[in-house]
Amino acid sequence: EAGVAQSPRYKIIEKRQSVAFWCNPISGHATLYWYQQILGQGPKLLIQFQNNGVVDDSQLPKDRFSAERLKGVDSTLKIQPAKLEDSAVYLCASSLDSPLYEQYFGPGTRLTVT
Amino acid sequence: SQELEQSPQSLIVQEGKNLTINCTSSKTLYGLYWYKQKYGEGLIFLMMLQKGGEEKSHEKITAKLDEKKQQSSLHITASQPSHAGIYLCGADNASNTGKLIFGQGTTLQVKP
Repeated sequence: EAGVAQSPRYKIIEKRQSVAFWCNPISGHATLYWYQQILGQGPKLLIQFQNNGVVDDSQLPKDRFSAERLKGVDSTLKIQPAKLEDSAVYLCASSLDSPLYEQYFGPGTRLTVT
Repeated sequence: SQELEQSPQSLIVQEGKNLTINCTSSKTLYGLYWYKQKYGEGLIFLMMLQKGGEEKSHEKITAKLDEKKQQSSLHITASQPSHAGIYLCGADNASNTGKLIFGQGTTLQVKP
């Protein structure tokens, strides 16, 4: 069974530029999550999707971050414009329909904003 | 809001030694997850605990959730270099919503 796929793996941009990350969850997983992990900290949930609907985006900085999950499969996370403090690893995870099931994580995208 | 505190923050042990990592919550835990992360990689699921007093084992790793469901421990027996990495505990911040909050992680080094 293929795992959660993410691309790109690494991205370096200058502040005020835009960037987009892509995630393909495990086939059949209805729930998709985006996390931000700053160096030395645990992951922080940004947004949770159930199929193509948003369940929770309370910690997403909506003035600059946006995410979508069209057709309830792949998802993209965008930052526009980026700030220095956005430098982090962005992790995508997916799980089966029920929240009682464990979340499977992708390898992450390491973003450096200069 | 709920917070998870892990201790110790980092650990260096000699190969073959046992070790324990603790995860303490400020509120009742509805679901407690243990993950392992290698630098530059995603999180690998280890175990999930839900019931007070529950204990699960996989190979040389045992995780426990206390009766009051506010503390969990992860114990590694006879550590090996392959156990090295960052161990993270995560918890559902409400009743089974899937919205996980994580501790800050414990970095484990195992010296051959």
